[in-house]
Parts: sequence; structure tokens; C-alpha cells
Amino acid sequence: DAGITQSPRYKITETGRQVTLMCHQTWSHSYMFWYRQDLGHGLRLIYYSAAADITDKGEVPDGYVVSRSKTENFPLTLESATRSQTSVYFCASSDQGAATEAFFGQGTRLTVV
Amino acid sequence: DAKTTQPNSMESNEEEPVHLPCNHSTISGTDYIHWYRQLPSQGPEYVIHGLTSNVNNRMASLAIAEDRKSSTLILHRATLRDAAVYYCILGGYQKVTFGTGTKLQVIP
Repeated sequence: DAGITQSPRYKITETGRQVTLMCHQTWSHSYMFWYRQDLGHGLRLIYYSAAADITDKGEVPDGYVVSRSKTENFPLTLESATRSQTSVYFCASSDQGAATEAFFGQGTRLTVV
Repeated sequence: DAKTTQPNSMESNEEEPVHLPCNHSTISGTDYIHWYRQLPSQGPEYVIHGLTSNVNNRMASLAIAEDRKSSTLILHRATLRDAAVYYCILGGYQKVTFGTGTKLQVIP
């Protein structure tokens, strides 16, 4: 199916564990983004990518790692999860960055216990 | 990075027009103005965007002030399905950063 999909939709993990959130888009969009959403903070940009093998930090990158070996995939890894990383994570893609609309996934609700 | 200021919440009666304001006094010349909305438990959904001129699409209209320091999203006839959090966003070439959003309540 065409679109942008995130997996898993829900994840519970323990403090200190590594966890990877997956994001896949079928449009071959150049740009991809990761946001986290916490109550009272709206959406905050974690990392973004302008093309395969090109990534850059957003507003809140600490504790996260991204890679983009293929245009369609943009996984987000929490190297050692902390309780403060409990959040809803949204992935998005767009064809030309800020010049065009972005399409968002349904989100991954991550709980770190 | 330029920031946006929106009212925390607004109310509208069903089938009446809604004007959602956004201030962005530090906007740069290359920043696009985007509007997204988010329904509960869903990802944000694109509404409209523009650079300098007013824009219309099937969902809404975007009115941009001449000095670009403010903009207004116009929903021509609010429906119950329009109840959501509306985000006014400024995007430079590389990235889009979200503001705090306005929670729109539509009253039947």
C-alpha cells in the first residue's frame, strides 16, 4: 500500500535497552523527519534527512541515532532508553522539504519503564 | 529559528467561518508558512501552505499579511470533523519546526 508506515505502533521497553523505531515510505520522497510529541510541548523535531546518507540534527537529538541507507527507510534508534524518552514518535516525509506538504505516519507510542 | 505564536484554544459554531491567527514576527524571507491539523490519536495532517501570496485549496484558505509577520487560516464553514489542534509552522528549505498549536472546538 502506498503511504508512510511506522512500526511498531506500540512499544514498551526497559530503561537502558536499545530500541529501534521503523519508518517506511513508498513515494521515494527525498525528505524524511522524526518528531516526538509530549503533552505540553507540541511536536519537536529530533532528526531529519534530505536524502539517502544525509542526516542532520533537529531540536532534540540527544539520545537518538538515525540512519538512511535507502531512500524509503528512516529508522530511529534509542541507544539506551530512558524514561524521559517515553513519548509518541511521528515519522514524516516530503518531496521537497518545506516547499511542499509533509505526510505523517500514524505514530509509535513508546513507553520506557 | 523563527517561532510562531498561536492562541491555545478557540471555539466556533458549526457551519460558521473560523479564522485561526498565527504570529511569526521573526520569519525569514525563505520560510514557508504551513498549517497542519491533528485529530486525537492521529498524526498531523497537511492543510495548506504558502510563501507570500494568499492561497486557497479545497480545505481552507491562507491569508498572509503583507509583511509576512502574521497569517490566518480560514475554514469557510466549520464542521464537527474540523475539531482538532491546528499548528502554524514555519519551514525553511531543510526542515519544518512545529509551534504549540490552537485547539479548535466546534459547537453543534
